[in-house]
Order: sequence, then C-alpha cells, then structure tokens
Amino acid sequence: NAGVTQTPKFQVLKTGQSMTLQCAQDMNHEYMSWYRQDPGMGLRLIHYSVGAGITDQGEVPNGYNVSRSTTEDFPLRLLSAAPSQTSVYFCASSYSRQGGSPLHFGNGTRLTVT
Amino acid sequence: RKEVEQDPGPFNVPEGATVAFNCTYSNSASQSFFWYRQDCRKEPKLLMSVYSSGNEDGRFTAQLNRASQYISLLIRDSKLSDSATYLCVVTPWNQGGKLIFGQGTELSVKP
Repeated sequence: NAGVTQTPKFQVLKTGQSMTLQCAQDMNHEYMSWYRQDPGMGLRLIHYSVGAGITDQGEVPNGYNVSRSTTEDFPLRLLSAAPSQTSVYFCASSYSRQGGSPLHFGNGTRLTVT
Repeated sequence: RKEVEQDPGPFNVPEGATVAFNCTYSNSASQSFFWYRQDCRKEPKLLMSVYSSGNEDGRFTAQLNRASQYISLLIRDSKLSDSATYLCVVTPWNQGGKLIFGQGTELSVKP
C-alpha cells in the first residue's frame, strides 16, 4: 500500500508558467483534498472532492483548478503561476466523504515561483 | 474571526513537564475533531481523534467542550521527541466534508 503519493517533491516555476501537481491514493478513499501551507498560516484548503466527478472550492481556490475523473487521482493545476503561490502543497485523502475520518497526507510538494 | 484558532506558541518546556494546548472553533455545528502532529518540513500525521467524552492515549489526553466550542490536548511527562507543531482540525457538519486546520501550536521540549 503506497497510501497517498504526490509528485513532484520539488518544483521551481517562472511567473506565468503552468503546471500540474499530481496526487494519487490507493486506499479507495472517497474524499480527497489539496492544502497549501505557508509560515504562520497553517494549512489552508484549496479544493476538495467527495467523490469522482465532484469537486468544490475551499478557502483559497483562486489560481488553481482541480478535476476528479477517477477515485484514485486528484490533480491540482496552477493556471499561471505567481510568486504568491510559492508554498508547500499537501494532498490528503480520507475514507469518509463527510469528513468524519482522519486524513492521510502525501509527502508534500515544495513549489517556488520566481 | 478564523474558523479554528490556536495559540501559536512556541511553548518551550523542560523534559517531564505537563503542557496543554487549546483550540477554539467558531462553527457550533462542527462534528468531528482531531489533533495532528507535524514535524519540521514533513506532512501532518494524526495524533488522536477527540471524542465527546474525552479520550486518552498514553501520555496524551484530548477533551472537547461543545458549550464553549474548544478542544484541548494535554501532554504529560513531555519527551524530547514530542517537539513538533500540533494542529487542531475541525469538520463542520454543514460544509460537506471540509476539514479546517488551525494554524498550529509549536512545542519545543528541552533537556
């Protein structure tokens, strides 16, 4: 069981570039989510999904897109990278679509936008 | 007001000390509560769920006070390995599965 797998681990982008952060889980979890973590801000929810074909916005969705075509995968797309998107990104999944079960996190992606 | 608030610390305590963290939440319809631990530059990991009646896991005790809308984490007999950031997590009942994190409380246990 790999759990939650995020790629890449590190990425450097120039302003205006686009990219996709990959997230996959092999636990058949319905709930998947993306967070960003900045110093002093804690983890902030970007987007989440309660099942294949269903996505919704979190606290800080602007500048990011997601899709959930399968139960396993939940990619996060940066449309036009900005320095304000420099952060550590975590993907997480859980069994319960109602949020009543704990989250399993990936190892994180450290993104720098110059 | 933030949905979930924690004292950011840092808390600097000697080994063997007892330390307590509080976390307040604003949504009275919140249904599930957790404490996570995060080591420097690593992903958060579940420490314990918080149940209405309170629960204990070894040196760790979690309590929930719905009337005052806060949860607490008590660590007894602190170890050096307890040094980490502790994150409070709340799931609002009426927000379809969103889990909201506090900003974390940093704990440093010194010899």
